[in-house]
Amino acid sequence: GAVVSQHPSRVICKSGTSVKIECRSLDFQATTMFWYRQFPKKSLMLMATSNEGSKATYEQGVEKDKFLINHASLTLSTLTVTSAHPEDSSFYICSAPGPHGYTFGSGTRLTVV
Amino acid sequence: GESVGLHLPTLSVQEGDNSIINCAYSNSASDYFIWYKQESGKGPQFIIDIRSNMDKRQGQRVTVLLNKTVKHLSLQIAATQPGDSAVYFCAENMGWGSARQLTFGSGTQLTVLP
Repeated sequence: GAVVSQHPSRVICKSGTSVKIECRSLDFQATTMFWYRQFPKKSLMLMATSNEGSKATYEQGVEKDKFLINHASLTLSTLTVTSAHPEDSSFYICSAPGPHGYTFGSGTRLTVV
Repeated sequence: GESVGLHLPTLSVQEGDNSIINCAYSNSASDYFIWYKQESGKGPQFIIDIRSNMDKRQGQRVTVLLNKTVKHLSLQIAATQPGDSAVYFCAENMGWGSARQLTFGSGTQLTVLP
């Protein structure tokens, strides 16, 4: 079946540094990638939608300069958390519409210290 | 905006019993619904889906019921097993062709008791 590979699964970084999260579609082309953020014991909240070859669409309240999204190819979308702060600590998940429905990455646990 | 919500945040069931997880949605234009299972520290895992032209769909040990009249969705798990313990989310979508993003409900934590 369709697989979205997300890396890293866990990352700890210092405040002020940037962290890049990658999502790759392994056996299908993902022209669209959805990026979600999830707080403990909460639901998934859509942050932005990336589209290959065009600018990402951000949800209301999500800082574009804070969460940089790049969709450089049909199989790769990246989310960069810039100048990370402790309040950015969260679980980040990507998802792509694939041939068998929406496929989710395994998530990235970001901890900013 | 319209949103999807769940009735119960937690549900505990005895191993072997049937589980029923409910979801209410408010977007009458939604035509596609999905149930996901999420284990701790992992991404959501597809369980079963249903389109609005159906009112019931069965999978392996799972059944999804859709009542469009009252905008209600339920997930039934038969003979619940310890491995079913997880958070379950319903999600709605307004159409596949537009690759519209999914809107998730708040989730129900299912705990299977031995």
